[in-house]
Amino acid sequence: DAGITQSPRYKITETGRQVTLMCHQTWSHSYMFWYRQDLGHGLRLIYYSAAADITDKGEVPDGYVVSRSKTENFPLTLESATRSQTSVYFCASSEGREANEQFFGPGTRLTVL
Amino acid sequence: GQNIDQPTEMTATEGAIVQINCTYQTSGFNGLFWYQQHAGEAPTFLSYNVLDGLEEKGRFSSFLSRSKGYSYLLLKELQMKDSASYLCAVLDSNYQLIWGAGTKLIIKP
Repeated sequence: DAGITQSPRYKITETGRQVTLMCHQTWSHSYMFWYRQDLGHGLRLIYYSAAADITDKGEVPDGYVVSRSKTENFPLTLESATRSQTSVYFCASSEGREANEQFFGPGTRLTVL
Repeated sequence: GQNIDQPTEMTATEGAIVQINCTYQTSGFNGLFWYQQHAGEAPTFLSYNVLDGLEEKGRFSSFLSRSKGYSYLLLKELQMKDSASYLCAVLDSNYQLIWGAGTKLIIKP
């Protein structure tokens, strides 16, 4: 399917477990982003990537790891999940970082018990 | 620090006009975006302003004043489907998007 997809859409896990959220886009956009969205907060950038094998930290990177071996995929891993990582996670992509709109995936709702 | 302020919630009547304000204090400015987000869905792009003035796109318009650190989104002829959250985001000097918490707009018949 064309566009940007995320999997799983819903995930329940336990404290201390490793969790990987997947993101796939079919537009060959250079930039990809991971955000978390919590009630009362704006979207907060976790990590972003300018191209394959180039990643950089955002505002809230602690406890997360990313990789980008292929342009179309940008997985986000929670190495040891904590309850404070319960959130909705959005992946996004864009052609560039300037005046380019970001296209968002449908989101993954993660609950850490 | 960087800060973007929007009202938490607004209520308007179907068919009316509503203005959603956004004020910002950021390290640098490379443009301001408005996104719409329906409950349980992903944000979708509405508008982009980088120069002062009004940008009109159908029923939606967005205004920017860089000297005042201020923008608004104007929605005309409100429809029930416009019930959503509206997110203001500023592209800072590092080309990173800084997001407001969003304004939940409730449309009443």
